[in-house]
Amino acid sequence: NAGVTQTPKFQVLKTGQSMTLQCAQDMNHEYMSWYRQDPGMGLRLIHYSVGAGITDQGEVPNGYNVSRSTTEDFPLRLLSAAPSQTSVYFCASRQAGAGKETQYFGPGTRLLVL
Amino acid sequence: AQSVSQHNHHVILSEAASLELGCNYSYGGTVNLFWYVQYPGQHLQLLLKYFSGDPLVKGIKGFEAEFIKSKFSFNLRKPSVQWSDTAEYFCAVNAVGNEKLTFGTGTRLTIIP
Repeated sequence: NAGVTQTPKFQVLKTGQSMTLQCAQDMNHEYMSWYRQDPGMGLRLIHYSVGAGITDQGEVPNGYNVSRSTTEDFPLRLLSAAPSQTSVYFCASRQAGAGKETQYFGPGTRLLVL
Repeated sequence: AQSVSQHNHHVILSEAASLELGCNYSYGGTVNLFWYVQYPGQHLQLLLKYFSGDPLVKGIKGFEAEFIKSKFSFNLRKPSVQWSDTAEYFCAVNAVGNEKLTFGTGTRLTIIP
């Protein structure tokens, strides 16, 4: 299994540009999440999904959209990038059910918005 | 809402020293607790977790953590650190039945050879 994969690894955007961060998992996990990591702030939840067709907002959802059309994929869209969205983005997945709350993280996407 | 506090922002130790990193959470109900580690340039990996049962849990690479419910704490310990333990350590909590995992701000650990 490849686990959780993310593309691209690095991206530079200009303010106002749009882009999609890709996330895929091959573990048939029901739950998927997007986090951003900023110095001194730990990881903050952006959006999450408990299954195909179901998404919900996390702690810092503004400026980001998600969709979950398949179990495997959970893309994160920035419609109009802002410098405040410069960060490292991590995707994670886990199984549903009690005792299965361990999340598995992807390698991250480092985003710079100029 | 649940929250997590990690009071040590940066810890510097010499090899073979003992380590204890603090983690406190705030939530009145039943929780699952985690420690994740992020080595330089890498993604987060699970170090250990507590769901129920024995409050002293052992993880990979000689790490352990103790859940003290009365203190809302889940401190991470290692009796003798190695240079390869240099990393950032994150405590995380989720309320049982809540899908959201809340992370602390992290503790950067630097081990001096």
